[in-house]
Amino acid sequence: AQSVAQPEDQVNVAEGNPLTVKCTYSVSGNPYLFWYVQYPNRGLQFLLKYITGDNLVKGSYGFEAEFNKSQTSFHLKKPSALVSDSALYFCAVRDSTGNNRLAFGKGNQVVVIP
Amino acid sequence: KAGVTQTPRYLIKTRGQQVTLSCSPISGHRSVSWYQQTPGQGLQFLFEYFSETQRNKGNFPGRFSGRQFSNSRSEMNVSTLELGDSALYLCASSFLQGSSYEQYFGPGTRLTVT
Repeated sequence: AQSVAQPEDQVNVAEGNPLTVKCTYSVSGNPYLFWYVQYPNRGLQFLLKYITGDNLVKGSYGFEAEFNKSQTSFHLKKPSALVSDSALYFCAVRDSTGNNRLAFGKGNQVVVIP
Repeated sequence: KAGVTQTPRYLIKTRGQQVTLSCSPISGHRSVSWYQQTPGQGLQFLFEYFSETQRNKGNFPGRFSGRQFSNSRSEMNVSTLELGDSALYLCASSFLQGSSYEQYFGPGTRLTVT
């Protein structure tokens, strides 16, 4: 069964500083990896995905993520955080065997301090 | 293109009652998945439908059921509601099943059981 670990409950970062949200995964076979963001009282908004190819994936709103197969990690990054990036971030994994079932991490609350 | 829509947005029910939630996927999307989000358990997969057939089911009791119609719209039903069923129920649609396509989430239905 696939699973995701997001080790930190909350990430605090000053506006303008680099933002990193950590994610490690476990899955049989090749992973399909995703990052979503959730704002209060809203659904999940897709940021980016890794399916195959380049290990560095670029997504929406200046976010990127680096896939590391040997460390089974898929950390989310943003070079310069904005106050508006304050939200709940979820990493998710799916196997490549033929279903759409996503396994999510517990989520990381990101707080960007002005 | 319109996003995933879910109705109703908010529901208050009493223990023992049943409830039906509705989800309309993005036009052209044929796969619909449902997730339950609670503070304690996080995001958990309920089930997935593709071409009117349930393709995958999570670890939830039989009180949770769903269906998909020929126009890809989906409903989920919870019978004999319990206090622990209080949650945000999220619907997600995807173009195909078991593909590299990402899932797009609706705003959710907030169910409160009293």
